Amino acid sequence: EPEVTQTPSHQVTQMGQEVILRCVPISNHLYFYWYRQILGQKVEFLVSFYNNEISEKSEIFDDQFSVERPDGSNFTLKIRSTKLEDSAMYFCASSVGQVLQETQYFGPGTRLLVL
Amino acid sequence: DAKTTQPNSMESNEEEPVHLPCNHSTISGTDYIHWYRQLPSQGPEYVIHGLTSNVNNRMASLAIAEDRKSSTLILHRATLRDAAVYYCILRALPTGANSKLTFGKGITLSVRP
Repeated sequence: EPEVTQTPSHQVTQMGQEVILRCVPISNHLYFYWYRQILGQKVEFLVSFYNNEISEKSEIFDDQFSVERPDGSNFTLKIRSTKLEDSAMYFCASSVGQVLQETQYFGPGTRLLVL
Repeated sequence: DAKTTQPNSMESNEEEPVHLPCNHSTISGTDYIHWYRQLPSQGPEYVIHGLTSNVNNRMASLAIAEDRKSSTLILHRATLRDAAVYYCILRALPTGANSKLTFGKGITLSVRP
């Protein structure tokens, strides 16, 4: 069964450093998402992406964050200058379409620790 | 988005049925009811969804109240692998490109051997 993959599984970085989290969505999917989950808290939406543009972003997704689909398969989340509070599990998801019934498929996540 | 209310936690015995309730009294006529679950240290996983009629799939059944103000996710025979946080999520008619999932705290299901 096709699945969303994410790399790396774990990333440790120093505060102020840039990190890039990578995702390979399911191949025929058109919509891509990033969510994050701070330890012990809810899963929070960050951004959705379609047709090489951001469709929607949350208040969390400020100027320090950016997303890109650099080629036909990868979808990346960049954090320009990491803060301690960026420590979280980051999940990528993808879906075929955008209608209400559409299922989002999540990757296993990247655990980011900012020191 | 309309709000859902779920108990914090529930315990079940292995191989017994589990009924996970969700209240959504402010649901609108076009809101779909989705259930996702999150196994420990994993990403969320789709379970089932419905609009008005009860639904069955290989993972679970979804029973929707006639007035749609509540629903119940039914796991017919719980296994240890079903121990997870289960999220009941309403998906509103998209305005513009709004298709995000809004997760609450969910209900933590524990399964006793």
